[in-house]
Amino acid sequence: DAGVIQSPRHEVTEMGQEVTLRCKPISGHNSLFWYRQTMMRGLELLIYFNNNVPIDDSGMPEDRFSAKMPNASFSTLKIQPSEPRDSAVYFCASSLAGGGPSTDTQYFGPGTRLTVL
Amino acid sequence: SQQGEEDPQALSIQEGENATMNCSYKTSINNLQWYRQNSGRGLVHLILIRSNEREKHSGRLRVTLDTSKKSSSLLITASRAADTASYFCATRSGNTPLVFGKGTRLSVIA
Repeated sequence: DAGVIQSPRHEVTEMGQEVTLRCKPISGHNSLFWYRQTMMRGLELLIYFNNNVPIDDSGMPEDRFSAKMPNASFSTLKIQPSEPRDSAVYFCASSLAGGGPSTDTQYFGPGTRLTVL
Repeated sequence: SQQGEEDPQALSIQEGENATMNCSYKTSINNLQWYRQNSGRGLVHLILIRSNEREKHSGRLRVTLDTSKKSSSLLITASRAADTASYFCATRSGNTPLVFGKGTRLSVIA
């Protein structure tokens, strides 16, 4: 079984450039989460979707960040323009929501390490 | 906002010893979960304990939950070098998504 797939695994870009991170959730999962992880702030939830609909984007730091989920098998997180302080590891996770607390488990992708110079 | 807080922040033990990590949280929960993160990897789910459960086992892992104290502990018995990782607790309250703590960094020295 393929897990959550993220691409690219590493991204190095210059300040001001647009960055697009991609995620393919586990087939059959209906919730998708985008996180950012840094040493200083730990793991932060940026946005999550249920059935392709954004539910809570209060964690998105600024208008420079946007996320879409055009279908059940694909999501993007875009940063435009990027800044050095956006450097972090970005994780995508998926889960099967609505099945009760025993199906609450989130499955994480390997992450995208973003460096903005 | 951070719900769970792990303690200690870092722990170093010898192979074969037991490792205990604690998690405290603030509000009532539906369940509490523990995840492991190896260096450079994503988080991996270890175990879930519901609010009406007090103890749960999975292999060398033992998790306890004390809802009156709003705390949980993760015990890894007979630790191995491969257990070296960061361990996170995550809490689920109502319809809100999981909220993760900042983690405990465990080093198991061979």
